[in-house]
Amino acid sequence: DTGVSQDPRHKITKRGQNVTFRCDPISEHNRLYWYRQTLGQGPEFLTYFQNEAQLEKSRLLSDRFSAERPKGSFSTLEIQRTEQGDSAMYLCASSEVGGNTEAFFGQGTRLTVV
Amino acid sequence: TQLLEQSPQFLSIQEGENLTVYCNSSSVFSSLQWYRQEPGEGPVLLVTVVTGGEVKKLKRLTFQFGDARKDSSLHITAAQTGDTGLYLCAGMDTGRRALTFGSGTRLQVQP
Repeated sequence: DTGVSQDPRHKITKRGQNVTFRCDPISEHNRLYWYRQTLGQGPEFLTYFQNEAQLEKSRLLSDRFSAERPKGSFSTLEIQRTEQGDSAMYLCASSEVGGNTEAFFGQGTRLTVV
Repeated sequence: TQLLEQSPQFLSIQEGENLTVYCNSSSVFSSLQWYRQEPGEGPVLLVTVVTGGEVKKLKRLTFQFGDARKDSSLHITAAQTGDTGLYLCAGMDTGRRALTFGSGTRLQVQP
């Protein structure tokens, strides 16, 4: 399977705990995006990388959130001191570098904070 | 922030009917993508439109990009139960490299 892979698919955590999600993009894709989606809404942009450089972060990305892509391949998204409002589907997508490149999404990680 | 508004928000139709979903913005996009998403899964790319006035067909689905590249429509002919899902439009900002999504149209096709 050469699509975008996310792990885990589901995560239940207690409020205040830290969680980390992983995304493996399509191998030849230089760009990697993180989005968050809550029930009944479209995905909201969080951040994106081109290779290992984090080029843009949304205002939605509070200081409890951090994303890395250390070698320009896989990426991790960490949420510290989780809150109930962090419960959502976290989506990763990747694309090639170029003008009107198409973004391909993984299956997402469903986070539930109890 | 460039906003995309989708209408209708929810649509329930009988199998065999036709339908059109709209995606509108006051801003110009360099390209626009349509996705379909099923519960618990990530969005799956259906099509990308780039040129103003462009029309693309994917079997029973017809996608159109407005002449001014501010709006788009998705028309489904003879809907099937397998078309059920959340349809999302997403625009690529001219000055950025990230997609802005609409809130989606949830389509339910009844047998």
